[in-house]
Amino acid sequence: AQSVTQLGSHVSVSEGALVLLRCNYSSSVPPYLFWYVQYPNQGLQLLLKYTSAATLVKGINGFEAEFKKSETSFHLTKPSAHMSDAAEYFCAVSDGNTDKLIFGTGTRLQVFP
Amino acid sequence: DADVTQTPRNRITKTGKRIMLECSQTKGHDRMYWYRQDPGLGLRLIYYSFDVKDINKGEISDGYSVSRQAQAKFSLSLESAIPNQTALYFCATSDFGASGRNEQFFGPGTRLTVL
Repeated sequence: AQSVTQLGSHVSVSEGALVLLRCNYSSSVPPYLFWYVQYPNQGLQLLLKYTSAATLVKGINGFEAEFKKSETSFHLTKPSAHMSDAAEYFCAVSDGNTDKLIFGTGTRLQVFP
Repeated sequence: DADVTQTPRNRITKTGKRIMLECSQTKGHDRMYWYRQDPGLGLRLIYYSFDVKDINKGEISDGYSVSRQAQAKFSLSLESAIPNQTALYFCATSDFGASGRNEQFFGPGTRLTVL
């Protein structure tokens, strides 16, 4: 069975600092992995996805994530945080047989000026 | 116009009442999903449908039912609402294709409060 663990329910950074949001997965089949962002009072929006092509995936708004099979990780990074990045971020894994997604519990990112 | 719409956006109801949440999509996708979001728990799948005649229970289907009235419409019902069903509910859609690869597109959510 697939599962996702997001380490740190809250992350705070200063504007301009590196953003690192952690995601580890468990999957019995080659995983498809996703990062979604949820801005206040909005639905979820896809940031990026890994579907077994390049291990370094670039997404929208300057975010990227690297798939590391040996570490079963798919951490999300951004070199320089912006105030507008403040949101909740969800990592998710597809169950491999369907498009069902298993979500992590989310990480709320705060950006301070 | 939004591709995935949900009505109502906010609803307050009382214990024991029947309530229906509606989802419509204009993306032409075959697959639709209902999730609930609770603080600290992320999103959990309630029901999903791969076409009009294919409806499946998700992780937490007890106390809920669904109806896929058409390709574009997928409704979630709470037959007798209880306070622990207070949550944010999301509808999502995805296209049929290489299994597991397709992103899901989310509606704006319905905030439901059961008193």
